[in-house]
Amino acid sequence: KQEVTQIPAALSVPEGENLVLNCSFTDSAIYNLQWFRQDPGKGLTSLLLIQSSQREQTSGRLNASLDKSSGRSTLYIAASQPGDSATYLCALGGNTGKLIFGQGTTLQVKP
Amino acid sequence: KAGVTQTPRYLIKTRGQQVTLSCSPISGHRSVSWYQQTPGQGLQFLFEYFSETQRNKGNFPGRFSGRQFSNSRSEMNVSTLELGDSALYLCASSLKQGTLTDTQYFGPGTRLTVL
Repeated sequence: KQEVTQIPAALSVPEGENLVLNCSFTDSAIYNLQWFRQDPGKGLTSLLLIQSSQREQTSGRLNASLDKSSGRSTLYIAASQPGDSATYLCALGGNTGKLIFGQGTTLQVKP
Repeated sequence: KAGVTQTPRYLIKTRGQQVTLSCSPISGHRSVSWYQQTPGQGLQFLFEYFSETQRNKGNFPGRFSGRQFSNSRSEMNVSTLELGDSALYLCASSLKQGTLTDTQYFGPGTRLTVL
């Protein structure tokens, strides 16, 4: 059974800092991995999708990496801003037709 | 292109009642999935529909059901509501079936409160 863990559960950083969010999973037989952002009480916004054959994806200040052999993915946020404050979720897509989510990392960027 | 829309955005029901939630996917998307989000359990998969057929189902009781129409719009129904059904219900659409290759786009959710 696939299990997804995100560490830390919460993170507070000063504005301008570069940071890394971690996602680990137990079963490397995945099709893709997706990173989402969720603002309080809102839906999920897709940030990056990495296919299983890819090692990383970049979008603006965001860079996501995938290492299937070690069961890990990281989301790197450069030059963090207060507007980046949100909960970040990683989700794995496999052959079951569903996304399996981690519990998320709640990020607070202080001005 | 309009995003995924969900109606209603908020609902308050009492135990024992039933409720129907609606989801309209992005135009051209044929797959719709439903998820339940609670503080304790996080995001859990309910079911996925593609071309009006349920393709996958999560571990939820039979009180939770859904359907998809020919225009890809989907509804989910929860009968005999329980307090534990209080949650944010999210739907997601994608171009193809399942999560094999596509980005999942989520709607804003329906917040259901059961009293």
